[in-house]
Amino acid sequence: GQSLEQPSEVTAVEGAIVQINCTYQTSGFNGLFWYQQHAGEAPTFLSYNVLDGLEETGRFSSFLSRSKGYSYLLLKELQMKDSASYLCAEGAGSYQLTFGKGTKLSVIP
Amino acid sequence: EAQVTQNPRYLITVTGKKLTVTCSQNMNHEYMSWYRQDPGLGLRQIYYSMNVEVTDKGDVPEGYKVSRKEKRNFPLILESPSPNQTSLYFCASSFGLNTEAFFGQGTRLTVV
Repeated sequence: GQSLEQPSEVTAVEGAIVQINCTYQTSGFNGLFWYQQHAGEAPTFLSYNVLDGLEETGRFSSFLSRSKGYSYLLLKELQMKDSASYLCAEGAGSYQLTFGKGTKLSVIP
Repeated sequence: EAQVTQNPRYLITVTGKKLTVTCSQNMNHEYMSWYRQDPGLGLRQIYYSMNVEVTDKGDVPEGYKVSRKEKRNFPLILESPSPNQTSLYFCASSFGLNTEAFFGQGTRLTVV
């Protein structure tokens, strides 16, 4: 299957901005998802990008570059409750959805 | 309330004893899938289903079976569980592959 690469951990300060990157293989690409997962809970949907550019939803934005096989999630005005794992996932043309291993974000005071 | 319901939430069983984890969704979604989540490995897809009676293998199908006799239900069956199947399992559903997936609460399975 496809593989996605993201950093394993990121630490940022409350109130700041943090960017979480995700790179993926471009063959058969059919859209890039971001999910949030708090410890011990189910993942919840944040965003979906299929076209190049930036999509904004409140404090969260997601960017996609199809030619570079690259996406990032931008979190602004960080809050303590944003401490969670952030998963990128790719739909690759078939009905398989492949997830990255996740980036654990720690927000510190 | 729109939801995906998995049962049980927690299960401890012994090697070789057949078990079934149930998954049900009330959103009339066509697409359902099962994942396992292990530390350092992330979410890996076990099986998926595009509609009733249509299922296919994901990345880690060995040791698992599924069935999709009704649109709302997608049970995961472990015919002969082994300790390497100890994991956190999630069921998910969506209207299609490239739409938001809704996840169940998870089933933490321990096989001793």
